[in-house]
Amino acid sequence: EDQVTQSPEALRLQEGESSSLNCSYTVSGLRGLFWYRQDPGKGPEFLFTLYSAGEEKEKERLKATLTKKESFLHITAPKPEDSATYLCAVPPSGGYNKLIFGAGTRLAVHP
Amino acid sequence: EPEVTQTPSHQVTQMGQEVILRCVPISNHLYFYWYRQILGQKVEFLVSFYNNEISEKSEIFDDQFSVERPDGSNFTLKIRSTKLEDSAMYFCASSVGQSNQPQHFGDGTRLSIL
Repeated sequence: EDQVTQSPEALRLQEGESSSLNCSYTVSGLRGLFWYRQDPGKGPEFLFTLYSAGEEKEKERLKATLTKKESFLHITAPKPEDSATYLCAVPPSGGYNKLIFGAGTRLAVHP
Repeated sequence: EPEVTQTPSHQVTQMGQEVILRCVPISNHLYFYWYRQILGQKVEFLVSFYNNEISEKSEIFDDQFSVERPDGSNFTLKIRSTKLEDSAMYFCASSVGQSNQPQHFGDGTRLSIL
């Protein structure tokens, strides 16, 4: 069965304390892994797409990486404004036109 | 930057009533989606729409649900007879291409069924 699992569920960091979020997936024939940021009461905001193992994407303090079984979202020297829920999503096996989401990691960055 | 817009932001409806949620996707996008998120739970796929027809739907999307693209800009989700368990955030999304292209989401409609 296709699954997306994110860990940890919640993460509390001090400002400037770098860390990583994990997204593991079980789909066959990965056609893309998507990272989103979701603020309370808002829709998911697209961050990155990764297509193949070894690929990396960066945006400000965020860097996403991909292996054959998981993806990491590395946050370097985070600031309080990076506090949000980070979601990862993949299309299911078989080429269906939809996304399967993980439950997300709730990140809180304190000054 | 182009964005997906959804109206209303909050809808309160009595159980059994019909509700229509509206979305304006990004203008050059061809694929349209509805997802929902019950409070504290994962974002769940409901339906995808391309070339004026449904291309994929989930088990949640039963006969009480329908989608329509009534003109060149709007995309709507109708729930015919709402139930308490339909209370959720409903997100519209659109993409340029199929599932290997990023989907861009609106800020959602919070639907509260009384």
